[in-house]
Parts: sequence; C-alpha cells; structure tokens
Amino acid sequence: AQTVTQSQPEMSVQEAETVTLSCTYDTSESNYYLFWYKQPPSRQMILVIRQEAYKQQNATENRFSVNFQKAAKSFSLKISDSQLGDTAMYFCAFTKGSSNTGKLIFGQGTTLQVKP
Amino acid sequence: EAGVAQSPRYKIIEKRQSVAFWCNPISGHATLYWYQQILGQGPKLLIQFQNNGVVDDSQLPKDRFSAERLKGVDSTLKIQPAKLEDSAVYLCASSPLQYEQYFGPGTRLTVT
Repeated sequence: AQTVTQSQPEMSVQEAETVTLSCTYDTSESNYYLFWYKQPPSRQMILVIRQEAYKQQNATENRFSVNFQKAAKSFSLKISDSQLGDTAMYFCAFTKGSSNTGKLIFGQGTTLQVKP
Repeated sequence: EAGVAQSPRYKIIEKRQSVAFWCNPISGHATLYWYQQILGQGPKLLIQFQNNGVVDDSQLPKDRFSAERLKGVDSTLKIQPAKLEDSAVYLCASSPLQYEQYFGPGTRLTVT
C-alpha cells in the first residue's frame, strides 16, 4: 500500500521569503505521479504542481518548484517570494501511473501562514 | 469554464438521520471522485466513477454510504444513517484525464 507523510503540521514564513514544505512517500511502484495541492481557508483545493516519476527534471511553476529525490522517496515543495495569498493548507499527494484509477492518496497536510 | 459544483455547502443533521450531497462535474469530464476530508486530515477517496460505472469503491462504508452517477454526469452521495464520525467535508472532483483532478468547494457535514 502507498503512504504519503507530511511531517510539518504547521509552518510560517515572512512575506517575500522562501519556504520549503516536506513530503515523503512509500511505494513499490515504479511508475507514478506526485502532486502538491493548495487548499486556502474555506476555498476549494487547487493543483499547484505535478511531477512524473520517470522525469528526472524537477517541475517548476512560476514561484513554485519541487525537489524530487526518487531514491529517497522525497518530494518537497519550495515557495519563493512568498505572498499573503499563499496562506493555505498544502497537501502532498500520490497516484499510481500504471493504474487506471487515478486515485489520489494524500498526506496529512501542512498549514502555511505567510506573515506580512 | 464552470468549475465543479456541489450542494449544499453546509449541512447539520442529527445522528441516525439521512443526508444526500450533489455534485455536478465539469462538462465533458468522464471521471468523478468523492473524497471524505475529516478535520485536520488529508482527503480520502470514497468512490470513483468512470462515466457511470464504478472504478473504485473499496473505501466506501457500504453499510451506510451509497453513491450513484446518473447518465455519467451528475452524482449523488448518500449517508443513511449518519454517525458522529461522518462529520467531515465531502469533496467532489472531476477529471478529463487520469491525473488532473479539479475539486469542488465541498460540503461540510456536521452530525450532532
């Protein structure tokens, strides 16, 4: 069975600074996808960034980038130039790439507070 | 493009009552998911539909939960009878592909 672990329940960062959220996962699959989702307070969950396991290059989306360490089964999210609108709960998620289900397995989440 | 719609947004019921949630996915999305998100935890998949067929319902408590997807479009999730531990946010998501899921705003259920 696959598991996703986020060991930081809460984090805070000053506006304009950089913060890194940690995620580790466990799987015996060789083909899979990893995601970071953002869930702002009382708002719906949105996809921040996606990484295919077979790609060695780390994904980047504007101020968001990942550090994907496949051997260590680590998938951290770096947010550069943090903005107040980045305040949210962030979830790391996994799905098997070889499966037809596309079921997402989520971590417990990290609450990020960006301070002015 | 309209997003995933869910209703109601909030619901308060007493234990042993029944409740139903509705989801309208993004037009053209073949795959629809229902997740349960208990406070302080990540979402957990309850059931996944591909068009109007069930792909995965392994974590759906079938003695009290049921779901259907009518004509491969809208979906309803029902709980009967509700228990205190069913208090959670119920998220609906849809996807045109296997890996890009778009989430609705959720229905917050409180069971007293």
